[in-house]
Amino acid sequence: DAKTTQPNSMESNEEEPVHLPCNHSTISGTDYIHWYRQLPSQGPEYVIHGLTSNVNNRMASLAIAEDRKSSTLILHRATLRDAAVYYCILRDLQMAGMRFGAGTRLTVKP
Amino acid sequence: GAVVSQHPSRVICKSGTSVKIECRSLDFQATTMFWYRQFPKQSLMLMATSNEGSKATYEQGVEKDKFLINHASLTLSTLTVTSAHPEDSSFYICSALLGGLETQYFGPGTRLLVL
Repeated sequence: DAKTTQPNSMESNEEEPVHLPCNHSTISGTDYIHWYRQLPSQGPEYVIHGLTSNVNNRMASLAIAEDRKSSTLILHRATLRDAAVYYCILRDLQMAGMRFGAGTRLTVKP
Repeated sequence: GAVVSQHPSRVICKSGTSVKIECRSLDFQATTMFWYRQFPKQSLMLMATSNEGSKATYEQGVEKDKFLINHASLTLSTLTVTSAHPEDSSFYICSALLGGLETQYFGPGTRLLVL
């Protein structure tokens, strides 16, 4: 399985943008890039996913490098409720289960 | 967004008893659901893939006779932890596939404590 590398932790100030990086140098052509986040004692929450093009939704934006070996999740204005562990996961359509890494723990300071 | 529920949210049981956890997709049908386990301060670990109308597929190292999975309908999958022991205490989370295999939605999790 293609692996992802994320920083263990990041800090942000409230109402400032946050850029969460993810490296996936061994990504294959059919791997989708998924982002989920998990608050304490809750199940993961879907954030966004993409294949090649940048994606935007109401929660975040996903910027995918042209060679697809890295991506960045962008929270445009961090709030205290965005404090969570963010997981970047590669998933091939043929491999439906999610393989979670350690993720990035985001702390948002007021 | 799609909603997945789990019941119960938390359960305490005695060692040696069996515990059933339900996972339901509330507003969509899911032919495929998944079960994960998460120990404190660790990431989620995929346990098994549950397919409606067929046997579950278990990940390496997960005992199929201990963790019984039944996917009897397009909206319900159950995980039964048989003869539970304290080391089975964990946070169990299910998810369901929506649409063309692209997006998974997760339940809120079930915290199991075996005394």
